[in-house]
Amino acid sequence: SQQGEEDPQALSIQEGENATMNCSYKTSINNLQWYRQNSGRGLVHLILIRSNEREKHSGRLRVTLDTSKKSSSLLITASRAADTASYFCATDSDTGTASKLTFGTGTRLQVTL
Amino acid sequence: EAGVVQSPRYKIIEKKQPVAFWCNPISGHNTLYWYLQNLGQGPELLIRYENEEAVDDSQLPKDRFSAERLKGVDSTLKIQPAELGDSAVYLCASSSDNQETQYFGPGTRLLVL
Repeated sequence: SQQGEEDPQALSIQEGENATMNCSYKTSINNLQWYRQNSGRGLVHLILIRSNEREKHSGRLRVTLDTSKKSSSLLITASRAADTASYFCATDSDTGTASKLTFGTGTRLQVTL
Repeated sequence: EAGVVQSPRYKIIEKKQPVAFWCNPISGHNTLYWYLQNLGQGPELLIRYENEEAVDDSQLPKDRFSAERLKGVDSTLKIQPAELGDSAVYLCASSSDNQETQYFGPGTRLLVL
């Protein structure tokens, strides 16, 4: 079963614009991760934010986490055509040493020239 | 470093036939995951191995699905017999001890006719 939902389901923007995707989840978490999936490919890890963090940056990516609202957002600044992909949030609720991820439904981002 | 390897990349079979998927994780990764991804959805965990032990198989439909990781390295996921609803992408991922992120293979796209 999916842990949460992502919003919007699809997003189309022009190159150079910013893209914001939102993720809501249902249970307590240890961390939340964002993954990218290009068409016909596997998922690639982008960024991880822990439950005690509120914001994290990596290059053109900015992630926020609001545990009181059980939500997260991913901002991609100055988007490029190569950013076209599906983006998934995944929550890790496992307290053990291995990760156990539950993925959201994904946002399909289209960046046009 | 080689990534997660999966084969075959594509498989077309008739319903009621058996099918098997193979995964070789990243060297040294003791945790291996099999996911099912339906079109337009996020991955859903089928089974998680720590070394050769299946530690989470609660989402694996055991009437027709089976998996093994005999030597704690590569793994095979089998469906017998396949049904039309099994058409999906089967993803394999791996991670190492105390590693919170997962590394995904390219997936096997299954079409059951």
